Amino acid sequence: ETGVTQTPRHLVMGMTNKKSLKCEQHLGHNAMYWYKQSAKKPLELMFVYNFKEQTENNSVPSRFSPECPNSSHLFLHLHTLQPEDSALYLCASSQTGTSGMRELFFGEGSRLTVL
Amino acid sequence: AQSVTQLGSHVSVSEGALVLLRCNYSSSVPPYLFWYVQYPNQGLQLLLKYTSAATLVKGINGFEAEFKKSETSFHLTKPSAHMSDAAEYFCAVTTDTDKLIFGTGTRLQVFP
Repeated sequence: ETGVTQTPRHLVMGMTNKKSLKCEQHLGHNAMYWYKQSAKKPLELMFVYNFKEQTENNSVPSRFSPECPNSSHLFLHLHTLQPEDSALYLCASSQTGTSGMRELFFGEGSRLTVL
Repeated sequence: AQSVTQLGSHVSVSEGALVLLRCNYSSSVPPYLFWYVQYPNQGLQLLLKYTSAATLVKGINGFEAEFKKSETSFHLTKPSAHMSDAAEYFCAVTTDTDKLIFGTGTRLQVFP
């Protein structure tokens, strides 16, 4: 148990569906992240939120829409995805304020398959 | 700019043998370095981190890593591999904007 919970763990969706991934952290952290993990590729940082404000969007297609209603919850809304979006989506959290020591705590991931 | 290179996408060892996973980094600022482990169907878990306090860092599960500035390396070692060590290992470095950049990972297989 890492203190970061992701649901669902597995999701299969068609290209015209709309679904959401949810992440909740119980660590009192103030920063949350979405990463994409594809086979044979480095982990890709998608979005960063600090104190509920989006501070990073790494040129992610608009079919991925993040939402951070508070420092403990993070969503990734998915719509009209492509098969190449199939991957493991990892949520992480950290405590800001100590520069350069931003240790990340990861959830177990949501395995997404787009048909 | 910061970057991380992990040499060898797959490493195989026998149970009881030395584990050595290689990581080289590039950084324009004093780096903070991390090793994470990922077991099948799970997220990443921190093994150890280098934050400039000591060059030899001990982590969980008997792993340790040594920071060598002259070689820009942060290799991960364990004296005696156990079957339960089979997993994927990721090296990471912080950037000058406080983000983590991950390597491509090394899959460790342990044979009986």
